[in-house]
Amino acid sequence: QVQLVQSGAEVKKPGASVKVSCKASAYIFDTYGISWLRQAPGQGLEWMGWITDYNGNINYAQKFQGRVTMTTDTSTSTAYMELRNLRSDDTAVYYCARDLEKYYGSASGVAFHIWGQGTMVRVSS
Amino acid sequence: QSVLTQPPSASGTPGQRVTISCSGSSSKFDFGSKFVYWYQQLPGTAPKLLMYRHNQRPSGVPDRFSGSKSGTSASLAISGLRPEDEADYYCAIWDDSLSEWVFGGGTQLTVL
Repeated sequence: QVQLVQSGAEVKKPGASVKVSCKASAYIFDTYGISWLRQAPGQGLEWMGWITDYNGNINYAQKFQGRVTMTTDTSTSTAYMELRNLRSDDTAVYYCARDLEKYYGSASGVAFHIWGQGTMVRVSS
Repeated sequence: QSVLTQPPSASGTPGQRVTISCSGSSSKFDFGSKFVYWYQQLPGTAPKLLMYRHNQRPSGVPDRFSGSKSGTSASLAISGLRPEDEADYYCAIWDDSLSEWVFGGGTQLTVL
């Protein structure tokens, strides 16, 4: 069945970078976009950005512009999210989520349908 | 401070109908031009898409769940409440001014 499997938990020091992977299976990877979202402990959901191989578009939330990079590797059906210059308030569970529908060219109008299991990233000195 | 406001909690007894609201944080926020999406997050799990474009259910979501919107707010209704509906519920819209997705703060639903 369609699924997204994320990399394991990470512990990082302030100022470091983290790169989370999201491996897709059982569908044609470059026909659907993938969003990255996060959830701080006890808090709500926060959208970080979206990437698609369909037309190469990437949308980043303003809050993360300049600090996040989203990439894909179509050969391995894997999406990556790198967050740099980590701070303690970046401690959160990070999720990848696939679009509900194919061939969207921008993040507006997508629905976050298939979710990864989440990756806990803890930032602590 | 999210642009979307949800009640922090809601509750109901099995079999009841409950509604969860989602409203814009400013009077100039117009839901009329925006699609609203709803997500359910069971304790300790990843969120699940419950409703898209106001009232469309993905495959597998029971018709006990329904969505609606008016000019300044949207609502998720759950009829025939079940214990397994106990979860956090989030609304989301695409904010054109920010060019990004924004979420409500979430509503924790308790089934009494």
